[in-house]
Amino acid sequence: TQLLEQSPQFLSIQEGENLTVYCNSSSVFSSLQWYRQEPGEGPVLLVTVVTGGEVKKLKRLTFQFGDARKDSSLHITAAQPGDTGLYLCAGGQDSNYQLIWGAGTKLIIKP
Amino acid sequence: GAVVSQHPSRVICKSGTSVKIECRSLDFQATTMFWYRQFPKQSLMLMATSNEGSKATYEQGVEKDKFLINHASLTLSTLTVTSAHPEDSSFYICSAPPSQEGNIQYFGAGTRLSVL
Repeated sequence: TQLLEQSPQFLSIQEGENLTVYCNSSSVFSSLQWYRQEPGEGPVLLVTVVTGGEVKKLKRLTFQFGDARKDSSLHITAAQPGDTGLYLCAGGQDSNYQLIWGAGTKLIIKP
Repeated sequence: GAVVSQHPSRVICKSGTSVKIECRSLDFQATTMFWYRQFPKQSLMLMATSNEGSKATYEQGVEKDKFLINHASLTLSTLTVTSAHPEDSSFYICSAPPSQEGNIQYFGAGTRLSVL
């Protein structure tokens, strides 16, 4: 069974601080996606990384795919209250459309 | 990105009734759609894979007679919760992957089901 371990599961920090969320697996993925979900809504795609070592930036968010394509990280610089939400990582495989989901990180940014 | 519409967003029903949830891909065709269930503060739990023109594939532990899935066209999949009970109360979300975008899935806004 493929697993994608996401940590931390919960994080509450002050506005302006930096944070990193990790997703790790023993399996190789063809792609790694990060989603953000707000209460009562569906997840919204933030980014997809497909190449080992790839780094993508989305304003204050930096996403990295590990060289071996088994892990990924999301780093937020100078977090804002608007960053509050549930962050989900999901690994994709070439064989089908299904995704392997991390447990999610509930992030709260306090003003 | 692609748009997936899910309806209704919220439904309250009496125990024993059936509820139908629709998932539509608005600007692309989806031969495959996914149905998830999500408990509070938890990640998504895949219930079933909906396949256009063929039977859905259910995950282990999901009752196929309880959760009926129909994918009659390339833009519409429906999930019917039959004879709903309070323990079926949950947040149900559908997603669809545009075939030209690999594994990327676009999600509906979800349906909050409350069974009284």
